[in-house]
Amino acid sequence: GAGVSQSPRYKVAKRGQDVALRCDPISGHVSLFWYQQALGQGPEFLTYFQNEAQLDKSGLPSDRFFAERPEGSVSTLKIQRTQQEDSAVYLCASSLAGDIFRNNEQFFGPGTRLTVL
Amino acid sequence: QQPVQSPQAVILREGEDAVINCSSSKALYSVHWYRQKHGEAPVFLMILLKGGEQKGHDKISASFNEKKQQSSLYLTASQLSYSGTYFCGTLSGGGADGLTFGKGTHLIIQP
Repeated sequence: GAGVSQSPRYKVAKRGQDVALRCDPISGHVSLFWYQQALGQGPEFLTYFQNEAQLDKSGLPSDRFFAERPEGSVSTLKIQRTQQEDSAVYLCASSLAGDIFRNNEQFFGPGTRLTVL
Repeated sequence: QQPVQSPQAVILREGEDAVINCSSSKALYSVHWYRQKHGEAPVFLMILLKGGEQKGHDKISASFNEKKQQSSLYLTASQLSYSGTYFCGTLSGGGADGLTFGKGTHLIIQP
């Protein structure tokens, strides 16, 4: 079956614009994660969903960042009033298990590269 | 807290071996290893659970020393396809629900 897909693959925004990044996880995967990866760094955790419930949003850097997964499948990460420091690759990952300690692997999507001018 | 990976970069000739280390100051539940090529998604390699287990497939294996909060990834008889950046991601009880990744180790395999 298909892997995790993300759209758009590339997004250029002017400072102050709002953006919405979409993630389509693998069908049937309960867990969904968003990560932010700056150039030359490892991914940094943003938020975690179990089905439609957002169980952890401790990594969201500010209240300009908002994520949702209303029907427990597709997820959207929204960034309001984008700033230059928001420029990064935003990775989505999904996992079969609903319990993070079930130790199922996380399958990553190709990411959305966001550039804020 | 972010795990520390070492070395930061390694250059090898095809067929040589490499070891990549990952250490944490926190008590770990599990360690996850990924490889990422430039512009691509991280690709899962393996998960190690607390209990000091070792795992491996093909010529890539790893160990996890729970007492020292350290994990090592072993690449033997390296192939050109092994080139990329290797990340360890850690999961701690009581921490964030997502993985905490190190800064990565850049591995370059030359023919």
